[in-house]
Amino acid sequence: EPEVTQTPSHQVTQMGQEVILRCVPISNHLYFYWYRQILGQKVEFLVSFYNNEISEKSEIFDDQFSVERPDGSNFTLKIRSTKLEDSAMYFCAMHRGGEQFFGPGTRLTVL
Amino acid sequence: DAKTTQPPSMDCAEGRAANLPCNHSTISGNEYVYWYRQIHSQGPQYIIHGLKNNETNEMASLIITEDRKSSTLILPHATLRDTAVYYCIVRSNTGTASKLTFGTGTRLQVTL
Repeated sequence: EPEVTQTPSHQVTQMGQEVILRCVPISNHLYFYWYRQILGQKVEFLVSFYNNEISEKSEIFDDQFSVERPDGSNFTLKIRSTKLEDSAMYFCAMHRGGEQFFGPGTRLTVL
Repeated sequence: DAKTTQPPSMDCAEGRAANLPCNHSTISGNEYVYWYRQIHSQGPQYIIHGLKNNETNEMASLIITEDRKSSTLILPHATLRDTAVYYCIVRSNTGTASKLTFGTGTRLQVTL
């Protein structure tokens, strides 16, 4: 039973366009995370979000990135002006009982 | 968080036990050992974690040495579906949810 779903599964966009990636928890969670994985590389932490605030972010998470919970349930990652190097798998994760449960990911392709 | 060292790849015959080692010689007293795996391009999947005692669940067993400087993840009867990249991660578990720092992991190939 998946804890987390993500939409879309694949997003293709033009460089410079804004994208919004969505994460939907199955049950109520307080801790959310975004990670990304560029093809062939390691899974990298982007940001953690607790109680509607960013609790930690990596140096990758610059001003082009933002996160929010617009309706109290969905959790979104916005990239304001995409670059070619933003092409990657983006994974949302939830924290429960000491474990992090990852979603299936969104594959972002920037052309 | 302490650094971990894993072999880049391993092979295992289907039905046999897969033993995946991890070195974490700089682990500190409040740090846990976590194992995750990633099948193809799917999201990482939690397997097991432990502090100092050996742990077992429905997926695997985790053996941590007495000095805690290394550990072994054991898949008792590997199947083809266990082919994945396995990540050993050390992090503190203070109650606040901290990030996971992934390394390059061990690519386990299960063969017929």
